[in-house]
Amino acid sequence: EIVLTQSPDTLSLSPGERATLSCRASQAVTNNYLAWYQQKPGQAPRVVIDDASRRATGIPDRFSGSGSGTDFTLTISRVEPEDFAVYYCQQCAHSPRTFGQGTRVEI
Amino acid sequence: EVQLVESGGDLVQPGGSLRLSCAASGFSFTTYGMSWVRQAPGGALEWVSGISPGGGTYYPDSVKGRFTISRDNSKSTLFLQMSSLRGGDTGVYYCTKDSGWLSESWGQGTRVTVSS
Repeated sequence: EIVLTQSPDTLSLSPGERATLSCRASQAVTNNYLAWYQQKPGQAPRVVIDDASRRATGIPDRFSGSGSGTDFTLTISRVEPEDFAVYYCQQCAHSPRTFGQGTRVEI
Repeated sequence: EVQLVESGGDLVQPGGSLRLSCAASGFSFTTYGMSWVRQAPGGALEWVSGISPGGGTYYPDSVKGRFTISRDNSKSTLFLQMSSLRGGDTGVYYCTKDSGWLSESWGQGTRVTVSS
């Protein structure tokens, strides 16, 4: 199975700063079947980015995704207070679908 | 509005069985694949089963032979039958509506605890 490794584990930022989250795959994620999810305390995850770079419905344009092959990035251009959460990447190029361990974005 | 409401989570002894349900509304249930994704106490997410609109089923090796996903299209309900439960199966189980391979909508989850 494809192992996804996210870095860093925790990102400490102030509102207005830029957040760069990395997701590295143990083998190529074909067709860019790579998604990013946001999870806030006590809530279910929700899709932020799919197909590596497409923002999900309702997601602000300060969120962007990039990358291909084995290296992917989620960028939040200017972090807002409501963006502090845990972010997970997920691949579905190969079964089973797998998730990264998560990156916590905190103040 | 898509709504997914899970139920059936409980405390169960190792080796026991449990059946989870997910009541779906707000979309055409018969035309979407569905999945179950669990979250361990430490936060790790794991996809544990998927079912296509036509009823094809998919599992990772970690649960194959122990878990069975099924759907009742007449009642817009998804099920997960779990048996031979282990401590590692403990977590919150989410029902998801899939768009292709993507878990695009999630329920609020139901908690399963496997412990003696």
